[in-house]
Amino acid sequence: KAGVTQTPRYLIKTRGQQVTLSCSPISGHRSVSWYQQTPGQGLQFLFEYFSETQRNKGNFPGRFSGRQFSNSRSEMNVSTLELGDSALYLCASSPVRTLMNTEAFFGQGTRLTVV
Amino acid sequence: GENVEQHPSTLSVQEGDSAVIKCTYSDSASNYFPWYKQELGKRPQLIIDIRSNVGEKKDQRIAVTLNKTAKHFSLHITETQPEDSAVYFCAARENTGTASKLTFGTGTRLQVTL
Repeated sequence: KAGVTQTPRYLIKTRGQQVTLSCSPISGHRSVSWYQQTPGQGLQFLFEYFSETQRNKGNFPGRFSGRQFSNSRSEMNVSTLELGDSALYLCASSPVRTLMNTEAFFGQGTRLTVV
Repeated sequence: GENVEQHPSTLSVQEGDSAVIKCTYSDSASNYFPWYKQELGKRPQLIIDIRSNVGEKKDQRIAVTLNKTAKHFSLHITETQPEDSAVYFCAARENTGTASKLTFGTGTRLQVTL
């Protein structure tokens, strides 16, 4: 079974630009979450999607958005990039069974550098 | 919302010694507590998890304990080896039926020296 796939692996963007990151979950997994990892802040939750609907959102500005498609693939978008957006963006998928907590499997991440 | 605190931020132990990492959480509704290991340049990988109906769980050299009353949980690694060197993250999740939101601690950098 293929793992969680994130593309691209590396990105360099200029301040003010926008960027779209992609995440393909493990086959059969319907929940996708996004996290921002920085050396100083650790892993910060961005948002979670399930059945094409955003179910949870972290404390990030509106410049950060996402969506999920009917095949469970997800994208996140960051507009008007700032230097502080430089980070490793991780996506995680879960099979999700009602009322049972299941583990989240992480992708390799997309390392975004804003210059 | 949930808040998870993790200590220590760095930990250095000699090979063969034990390592203990501690986390506290704030939301009593949280009922799933995974631990992730992240090696340099790699993705976080689940090494052990515990659910709130269990007090302790072991998997070979790794064990996790949970104290729901005190709202803290700990990771214990015995007979540490150089390959245990990595950053370890604890996390907590509130059961909302469909949610996958994990709140992470800030990580512990474990260094196992020869």
